Amino acid sequence: DIVMTQSPDSVAVSLGERATINCKSSQSVLNNSNNKNHLVWYQQKPGQPPKLLIYWASTRESGVPDRFSGSGSGTDFTLTINSLQPEDVAVYYCQQYYGIPFTFGPGTKVDIK
Amino acid sequence: QVQLVESGGGLVKPGGSLRLSCAASGFTFSDYYMSWIRQAPGKGLEWVSYISNSGGTIYYADSVKGRFTISRDNAKNSMYLQMNSLRAEDTAVYYCARSALGIGDAFDIWGQGTMVTVSS
Repeated sequence: DIVMTQSPDSVAVSLGERATINCKSSQSVLNNSNNKNHLVWYQQKPGQPPKLLIYWASTRESGVPDRFSGSGSGTDFTLTINSLQPEDVAVYYCQQYYGIPFTFGPGTKVDIK
Repeated sequence: QVQLVESGGGLVKPGGSLRLSCAASGFTFSDYYMSWIRQAPGKGLEWVSYISNSGGTIYYADSVKGRFTISRDNAKNSMYLQMNSLRAEDTAVYYCARSALGIGDAFDIWGQGTMVTVSS
């Protein structure tokens, strides 16, 4: 199984500042046949299901504000939230869809400082 | 609008059974692969099972293999999860989720979830 880890466990950032979340996979999730990283980011607010933010590691889902960006390749990935807004308070999960079982990171909680 | 609605959760004793349902609307259900994903109280997300659009390909997490059965009825725009031999560690919110077309198994639509509690 591909194990996903995230750091930090939680982060508190001032409004308008940047939050950075890291995700690491135990093996590469880069598909050489399509040169795409099978890595997604979700946002989950309390009492709600997860919401897809980023797929292919760096492609924003339709309707997601451009302050959210994803980067990385292979085994190391980053979700960046520029200019943090109050509505961004949530837990963020990465997930690999390179292989079965699909696996999620443990989550990173983002709060306002 | 595009929607997934889960039902069938509840309180069940260890060793008991439950059948969850996921009703889809607002999209052509038969085009999409679907999954069940669960979240124990206060914990992270765990993928449980996956079914292809035709139902011909099915996968399970090791933690539920042999106890849970996923199925779908495209004529009824519905997916199911039959859960047998339930254990305390199966207690969770169970979400159904749609795999996005063209971008692999990124889950682009999620239901609100149904709570399953396994307790004596």
